[in-house]
Amino acid sequence: GESVGLHLPTLSVQEGDNSIINCAYSNSASDYFIWYKQESGKGPQFIIDIRSNMDKRQGQRVTVLLNKTVKHLSLQIAATQPGDSAVYFCAESLKTSYDKVIFGPGTSLSVIP
Amino acid sequence: KAGVTQTPRYLIKTRGQQVTLSCSPISGHRSVSWYQQTPGQGLQFLFEYFSETQRNKGNFPGRFSGRQFSNSRSEMNVSTLELGDSALYLCASSLDQGRNTGELFFGEGSRLTVL
Repeated sequence: GESVGLHLPTLSVQEGDNSIINCAYSNSASDYFIWYKQESGKGPQFIIDIRSNMDKRQGQRVTVLLNKTVKHLSLQIAATQPGDSAVYFCAESLKTSYDKVIFGPGTSLSVIP
Repeated sequence: KAGVTQTPRYLIKTRGQQVTLSCSPISGHRSVSWYQQTPGQGLQFLFEYFSETQRNKGNFPGRFSGRQFSNSRSEMNVSTLELGDSALYLCASSLDQGRNTGELFFGEGSRLTVL
């Protein structure tokens, strides 16, 4: 079926260090990718997105990298803070169906103070 | 601007019953999507509505249904509840402006427990 998978289900990092969360996607036709953050008791929240015609996009403290050759997506968080502790989901969609967004299983990020 | 509102936040049902969940999207958002979230399966796409029409559908049995009203509010219904339907049901809305963005705005979900 449709799926987007993650390499690491859990990740613990020291406060101040950089975090890297990886994601493998299976649908080579996907051309739009998004990272969401979900804190306990809340719905997922948009972090950053990237289209398939790009290989890198930067936001505030976050960078998303896309490698279409190996169908790999990563989220880099600079200077990780305790407030970054959450579950992170990568998601994909097709140009023809932006509103059908398929989510990966998620990675739990734990920041050690 | 108010966010996505889902009601009820928590509910408990027994097997065989049916349940209706409600979602009010952000004002001006015309697309509403529903997801089921469980620890074992993650976020699974249920369906997406736009202008009162189901535009996309996930791989769920016919017991799961939904609809959207003219004011973009949406409801989903699950009939003949099973224990495995226990989950957090999330609603998300989006602008759907010429498909230029896929950003979804999520509500806090409705936590359904089936006993």
